[in-house]
Amino acid sequence: EVQLVQSGAEVKKPGESLKISCQASGYKFTGYWIGWVRQMPGQGLEWVGIVFPLDYDVRYSPSFEGQVTISADKSVSTAYLQWNSLKASDSATYYCARLEGYMGVWGKGTTVIVSS
Amino acid sequence: DIQMTQSPSTLSASVGDRVTITCRASQSISDWLAWYQQKPGKAPKVLIYRASILITGVPSRFSGSGSGTEFTLTISSLQPDDFATYYCQQYDNFLWTFGQGTKVEIK
Repeated sequence: EVQLVQSGAEVKKPGESLKISCQASGYKFTGYWIGWVRQMPGQGLEWVGIVFPLDYDVRYSPSFEGQVTISADKSVSTAYLQWNSLKASDSATYYCARLEGYMGVWGKGTTVIVSS
Repeated sequence: DIQMTQSPSTLSASVGDRVTITCRASQSISDWLAWYQQKPGKAPKVLIYRASILITGVPSRFSGSGSGTEFTLTISSLQPDDFATYYCQQYDNFLWTFGQGTKVEIK
C-alpha cells in the first residue's frame, strides 16, 4: 500500500527553526516528485514546492521561495520541509503528497503552531 | 502565474440534487486539471484528473469536463457523504495552483 507518513504536530516560538518530515512507503521513492501544500486555519490549499528524490531537484512556488527549504533523503525515503526562523504566519497544516501530475496520495498533515 | 477561479464559493444543496462547480483558469492549461474533495480535519482526496478521468474507486456520480480555461465538476445526485469542500488544481509546467474552494453545504 502506498503511504506517506508525516511527523507529528509541532508547537514552536517565533524565531525558532523546524524541520518536518514525510516518509514514503509502498512504492519506489525515487520515481515520483513529492509536493508540499500549506493550509492555514480555515483557508484553502496553497502549493509550497516539490522535490524529486532521485536527483534532489527542488522547485518552489514563487510565494514560498526563500521562506522555506525543501529537501529529501532517498536512503530513508523521506522528504522534508524546513524553516530557519518561524513566524506566527507560518502556523498552518502542511501536507505532503506524491505527484502523478496531480497530487495522488496525501499524507495526513502536520500541524505547526507558532506562538510566543 | 496561472490563477484559478472557482465558483460559487459556497453552495447549499439537498440530498439528490445535481450540483455543478465551475473552475476558470487565467490562461489555457489544456486539460491539466484535477479536482479534490476535502472534509474537515482530513487531507484532500483526488477525485478526477486530466479534467475528466475519474480516479479508481470514486463514485460515478462525480464527473468532470472542460479544457483550455473552463472546467466543471458535476455531482449528478448529491449524497450525504458528498458534503465537503471541493478544490480544482491546475498542474501545467511545474507550477501548481489551486482554486479557492467551493464548500457544499446541506440546504
